[in-house]
Amino acid sequence: QITLKESGPTLVKPTQTLTLTCTFSELSLSRVGVGVGWVRQPPGKALEWLALNYWNDDKHYSPSLESRLTITKDTPKNQVVLIMTNVDPVDTATYYCAYTSGYFRFDYWGQGTLVTVSS
Amino acid sequence: QSALTQPASVSGFPGQSITISCTGTSSDVGAYNYVSWYQQHPGKAPKLIIYDVTNRPSEVSNRFSGSKSGDTASLTISGLQAEDEADYYCNSYTIYGTTVFGTGTKVSVL
Repeated sequence: QITLKESGPTLVKPTQTLTLTCTFSELSLSRVGVGVGWVRQPPGKALEWLALNYWNDDKHYSPSLESRLTITKDTPKNQVVLIMTNVDPVDTATYYCAYTSGYFRFDYWGQGTLVTVSS
Repeated sequence: QSALTQPASVSGFPGQSITISCTGTSSDVGAYNYVSWYQQHPGKAPKLIIYDVTNRPSEVSNRFSGSKSGDTASLTISGLQAEDEADYYCNSYTIYGTTVFGTGTKVSVL
């Protein structure tokens, strides 16, 4: 059964760095064309794409957040990590990791993890 | 890059058909046939229901169909059912090698 699961802190203080880990099973980041990315959703608002790491370690970021984001993968561990620096209360959202088989078609999603930024 | 434009809400009676539009630009929706649609029930993760404009994952009902004309993609739900009440989002691959989501549409079954 294909699963993705996000893990990380539920509460972060403003200006701190947020680190989220996506652990997946029955999926491979070794297959040509695939990738794992991150999408967030502030409470009551729309989905927003953040970053994607392809199988060949090619990385792409949302232009509006690129300076604050780093995405990395550990293929043997089946994990992808997202780091967001200098968080602000507007970064409060449910963060999802998702698997794409190509061209940002997100075939599988994690359950999401709610991160609150507050002092 | 700006979010793709969707109507905030669309409603219909059971059994009717409704269509949700997703308007972008020649840099995203109009550039490629890589538009996907997602269904999201409250408190749940999004679920892929249409990819590459018109294709449907095998487990998704054939009541869902997609199309595109120019810079606007559309999702049609036929034979509307109570379980279709959810939020719907489109996303498109862009010429910059990134993606952008739509503003989201709340579907209500009257």
